[in-house]
This record gives sequence, C-alpha cells and structure tokens, in this order.
Amino acid sequence: DIQMTQSPSTLSASVGDRVTITCRASQSVSNWLAWYQHKPGRAPKLLIYKASSLESGVPSRFSGSGSGTEFSLTISSLQPGDVATYYCQQYNSFWYSFGQGTKLEIK
Amino acid sequence: EVQLVESGGGLIQPGGSLRLSCAASGFTVSSNYMSWVRQAPGKGLEWVSIIYSGGSTYYADSVKGQFTISRDNSKNTLYLQMNSLRAEDSAVYYCARGGYCSGGICYRAAFDIWGQGTVVTVSS
Repeated sequence: DIQMTQSPSTLSASVGDRVTITCRASQSVSNWLAWYQHKPGRAPKLLIYKASSLESGVPSRFSGSGSGTEFSLTISSLQPGDVATYYCQQYNSFWYSFGQGTKLEIK
Repeated sequence: EVQLVESGGGLIQPGGSLRLSCAASGFTVSSNYMSWVRQAPGKGLEWVSIIYSGGSTYYADSVKGQFTISRDNSKNTLYLQMNSLRAEDSAVYYCARGGYCSGGICYRAAFDIWGQGTVVTVSS
C-alpha cells in the first residue's frame, strides 16, 4: 500500500500569510494526487486534483504542485475561512490513501 | 442536482452488523467509481473501500474480510455491509464519487462529490 505523509501536522499563521503544506508518497503516484479541505461537521471539499488542477469554484489563492512523490498545497493569502484540516490523497493505485492531515489555525 | 445521501448509521453493540446506504441523484452510480471513507473521533480521514464501474472491489487492510461494498443499480444506491463491528469502527462514514466511465473509456478522478456522512457508534 502507498503511505502518504503530510507536514506539518499543525500550522498556525496570520491572515494574509502565504502557507504551504507538503505531502510525500512512499512510492510514485505520478500526478494522481488530490487535496481536500475538511471543516468540522461538514463533508470534505475537493480543492485540487491531478496535483495542480484547481477544482471549479475553489478560490485561486489555493494552488498545488509536485509530481512523483513530493507534493505541496499553497494558500497565497490566508483568510479566516481557510481554518480547517487539509488532507492529501493519492488515487494512483487500486487502494486509495490519505495523508494524516494538517490542521491550519489562525494566529 | 448531483448529490449523495447516506443513511443507516446508529448505535450498535460490539459484534453486531450494520448496513449503510448511499443514495445518489444526478448521476449513475454504476458508471462511476464509488468509495466509502470514514473519520473516527479525533482522527483523520481513512479510505475504506471502493467499487469500480466494472464491479471490482477493494478494501483497506483494516476492514478486509469484515466489510463488503456493493451497489444496486436499479436503486442507484451504494451500500456498505459492516459485520463483527468493534469499537474502533466507530466513525462518521462518508460515501464519495471518484472516477467515471464514458463511451467505454474509464477515467480515474479525485472525490468530487461527497455525502453528508452518517455516524456509526459501536458501544455496549
């Protein structure tokens, strides 16, 4: 199975800051990598698919990059509504897997 | 409107069984790759199982031999049969759509549509 490792586990930043979350796969997943935003009590929301494609309706301050085993999610200017837990997910193999999550907080 | 609505969660004693349902509208379950994902209290998202449009099924090691994913094409509904439930199976269970087939060609995709989740609590 492919293991996904995110860092950091918790991130605290100020409104307007540029923040980056990284995700590493235990083996290559090509560009079959997605990022989700998850707020308590709500369904996860797809932000980025195929490593760098922005899902329709998602603000352009969110961006993704990477391929193979190293990926990142960047928020160019942090907004209060971005407080959430963010997950990467590989969908390269028959057995999908998520990273452990990064909890994003506002300072 | 494209949506997924889960049902069937509840309080169940250890060792019991439960069947979750996920009714789809606005698209055809059998033409898509459909998954179950869960989140235990205080934990992250865990992929549980997938059923491909061709009918192949795969499971996370944590539920293999214990859970069974299936679908009823006539009802456009996805199911998760959960047996021999343990406390560690307590979670919010989500169904999600990812991947589809069109014109005989299948495309893998991220989970773009999610249900609202149904809560399963395993406790005596």
